Amino acid sequence: AQKVTQAQTEISVVEKEDVTLDCVYETRDTTYYLFWYKQPPSGELVFLIRRNSFDEQNEISGRYSWNFQKSTSSFNFTITASQVVDSAVYFCALLRSGANNLFFGTGTRLTVIP
Amino acid sequence: ETGVTQSPTHLIKTRGQQVTLRCSSQSGHNTVSWYQQALGQGPQFIFQYYREEENGRGNFPPRFSGLQFPNYSSELNVNALELDDSALYLCASSLIERRGQETQYFGPGTRLLVL
Repeated sequence: AQKVTQAQTEISVVEKEDVTLDCVYETRDTTYYLFWYKQPPSGELVFLIRRNSFDEQNEISGRYSWNFQKSTSSFNFTITASQVVDSAVYFCALLRSGANNLFFGTGTRLTVIP
Repeated sequence: ETGVTQSPTHLIKTRGQQVTLRCSSQSGHNTVSWYQQALGQGPQFIFQYYREEENGRGNFPPRFSGLQFPNYSSELNVNALELDDSALYLCASSLIERRGQETQYFGPGTRLLVL
């Protein structure tokens, strides 16, 4: 069985603050893929990052960074110096190797207050 | 933008009716997946089409059906609509190659309201 847990339902921060969105996953597979997607009010899911289970290297892309730790089954997402445009619902998702469907968490709604 | 388009953007139907949603995949992609996203929830996998055939299905009843065309575009059909079918329907396109499936890129979705 697989499961993705995003325990933070809603987070509010003031602009320029840093914020970390948590994602904990469960899977029995040794090979899998983890994703983060952003969903602004328009509804479209915007791909942010894909991480393979065999690559635990953390990644930074501008103000975004991701911390993947297999030992704790976590794939957390940090936004540095948050901006109002970062306000959205963020989803963590799991793709099993050989599977064809993404398994999503319930999402974290981030509100950045100007 | 991903290049994945969906139509219509919004739709209102009544219970018992049938609906067809359409999706055009990103150039170079050969696979289309459909997801249902109820309000306040994460997307749930309905099914995937690859080479014009269903390539996996989630926990949805047979009244949810689909098609993929030679140009890789796709349709999602829902018969005998129920109130609980009200949701955002998302289409995602991807490329399946020998090594596996690449990242799924989503369209803007179709918001369906069943009254």
